Amino acid sequence: DAGITQSPRHKVTETGTPVTLRCHQTENHRYMYWYRQDPGHGLRLIHYSYGVKDTDKGEVSDGYSVSRSKTEDFLLTLESATSSQTSVYFCAISESTSGRARAGELFFGEGSRLTVL
Amino acid sequence: DAKTTQPNSMESNEEEPVHLPCNHSTISGTDYIHWYRQLPSQGPEYVIHGLTSNVNNRMASLAIAEDRKSSTLILHRATLRDAAVYYCILRGTGNQFYFGTGTSLTVIP
Repeated sequence: DAGITQSPRHKVTETGTPVTLRCHQTENHRYMYWYRQDPGHGLRLIHYSYGVKDTDKGEVSDGYSVSRSKTEDFLLTLESATSSQTSVYFCAISESTSGRARAGELFFGEGSRLTVL
Repeated sequence: DAKTTQPNSMESNEEEPVHLPCNHSTISGTDYIHWYRQLPSQGPEYVIHGLTSNVNNRMASLAIAEDRKSSTLILHRATLRDAAVYYCILRGTGNQFYFGTGTSLTVIP
């Protein structure tokens, strides 16, 4: 199984404060993704990365920024958190260069629950 | 980006086969069809994927229509542990995965 660690797993913050969620992988996967999950909306793609310093927007990117300075870490930043960003955030990785993963298979982290008061 | 359409919910009796449908009428020739499932309080997990031909693995079977505009995930004998939300997704050349809301499967003992 791919090693994916999300931190923090739980966070409560106040409106207007900055928040950074970290996704760390140990599998040298090329692609990394951030999703949010809300009742009635399923999983929605926020941003994704296809390599170091290569990122692109997903379907709900407003209010979020990302950075990937090295292969193993993908950071999601909320510059000024709002209550609408209360959600469960999932990181995912795919397309291992090691050859061990099935082509195109997504591996997910355990999720980070963020509450913005 | 190509999208998929799935029923919001389905029910099945335990130990009976389950057929979960998915429509993807705007699929392109290079899009792979993926299925994932999400158990309660967990991240989604891979189930199966295919391009044109039907696929089988230890978890399920994937039947793809000849025109590729629809597909069906088949669970041969539903168990209580199969109760989950099932997502049908198209993966294009950009390696983006758009999930949608999926089908919530209830397995009745």
